[in-house]
Amino acid sequence: EPEVTQTPSHQVTQMGQEVILRCVPISNHLYFYWYRQILGQKVEFLVSFYNNEISEKSEIFDDQFSVERPDGSNFTLKIRSTKLEDSAMYFCASSDEQGRIWTYEQYFGPGTRLTVT
Amino acid sequence: DAKTTQPPSMDCAEGRAANLPCNHSTISGNEYVYWYRQIHSQGPQYIIHGLKNNETNEMASLIITEDRKSSTLILPHATLRDTAVYYCIVRVGGNAGNMLTFGGGTRLMVKP
Repeated sequence: EPEVTQTPSHQVTQMGQEVILRCVPISNHLYFYWYRQILGQKVEFLVSFYNNEISEKSEIFDDQFSVERPDGSNFTLKIRSTKLEDSAMYFCASSDEQGRIWTYEQYFGPGTRLTVT
Repeated sequence: DAKTTQPPSMDCAEGRAANLPCNHSTISGNEYVYWYRQIHSQGPQYIIHGLKNNETNEMASLIITEDRKSSTLILPHATLRDTAVYYCIVRVGGNAGNMLTFGGGTRLMVKP
């Protein structure tokens, strides 16, 4: 069964450094998302992306964050200058268009644990 | 999107049906009910969704009341691997860009 994959599974970085989290969505999916979950807290939406554009973003997704689809398979989240409070699990998700046009259920990857020290 | 209310935790005996309730009294006509679950810090997993009819798939059944103000997710024969946090989410259909808004969910503990 096709699945969303994410790399790395765990990333440790120093405060102020740039990090890039990578995701490979399900191959025929057209809609991509990033969410995060701080330890012990709720899953929070960051951004959705379609047709090489951001569709929707939350207040969390400020100028320090950016997303990109650099090629036909990868979807990345960049944090330019990490802060301690960026430490969290980051989940990528994707959804398709065909066959379930009105519902767009999202399929999530296993997550990248980001630790900022 | 309409808000949902779920009990914070529930227990279920292995092999029994787990019935997880969700209240969404302010749901609008174009909003679907989705259920996801999260097993111990893994990525959320889609389970099922519905608009107004009851739905069943290989994982679960979804029962939506006639007035659509509440729903119940049923795991017919719960196993230990079903121990997870279950999220009931209400979301407008037809717009793929719409985010999923996760609440606190119900922590289901399946016990031997």
